Amino acid sequence: GESVGLHLPTLSVQEGDNSIINCAYSNSASDYFIWYKQESGKGPQFIIDIRSNMDKRQGQRVTVLLNKTVKHLSLQIAATQPGDSAVYFCAENMGDSWGKLQFGAGTQVVVTP
Amino acid sequence: EAGVAQSPRYKIIEKRQSVAFWCNPISGHATLYWYQQILGQGPKLLIQFQNNGVVDDSQLPKDRFSAERLKGVDSTLKIQPAKLEDSAVYLCASSLVYSLNTEAFFGQGTRLTVV
Repeated sequence: GESVGLHLPTLSVQEGDNSIINCAYSNSASDYFIWYKQESGKGPQFIIDIRSNMDKRQGQRVTVLLNKTVKHLSLQIAATQPGDSAVYFCAENMGDSWGKLQFGAGTQVVVTP
Repeated sequence: EAGVAQSPRYKIIEKRQSVAFWCNPISGHATLYWYQQILGQGPKLLIQFQNNGVVDDSQLPKDRFSAERLKGVDSTLKIQPAKLEDSAVYLCASSLVYSLNTEAFFGQGTRLTVV
C-alpha cells in the first residue's frame, strides 16, 4: 500500500551544524504534510507544515521543502542544539478525511557536543 | 492553556484481560483522535471523533477495540480482550476544528504492556 517513509533511521549531528531529515512519500494525492518532533516519553509535537501548493516554508530555525516531482519532503534545522535531539516524523494527510494522518517510521536525531 | 490529559501513564496487564484509557482534550477542541504507537514506529490512527460522532474508525480493530466520546468532550478507549501485540503507547490528540490544516495537540500517552 501507499506509505510515508524515511531514508535514515538515525542522524548524528554536531551542535551548531545544520540538520537535514528526509522523507519519501508515495501517495501522489496527498495535499498536506506535517513534521513532528517526539521527545522520549512525550507525545509528538507539531513543528511545521506545508501544503502541496507550496515548495518551501520557513519557521523559526526550521525549513520544510517539498518536491512533488519526486515525492520527497525534507526538514532542515539550522544551528542544531542539544534540545533538538528527538525522533522526527513526517506525516501526510491521507486525503479521505481531514486530520487523518499517516506517519512515517521516524528518524532519531542525536546532537553531539 | 492546559494540554491534552491522558491517564493512566502506564499500565501492565495479562493477555486476555481488559483495559481502558481515558483522554481529556484541550478545552473547546472539537476533534479528538486516538493513535497507537508501537515501539520504533510512527503513530497509527485508530479512530477520529468530531464532537461525539465518529469520523473515521477504519483502522480500529473492532473485534477487540472500542472507543466512545460521550458528550463530545472526554473519551475512553477500551481493549477487550488484550493481546500481546497490543503492547504500545496509546496517544490521544485533539484539534480545534475539523479542517485540513488544523494543528493536532498530543497528550503524553499511555504505555500499555501486555504480558
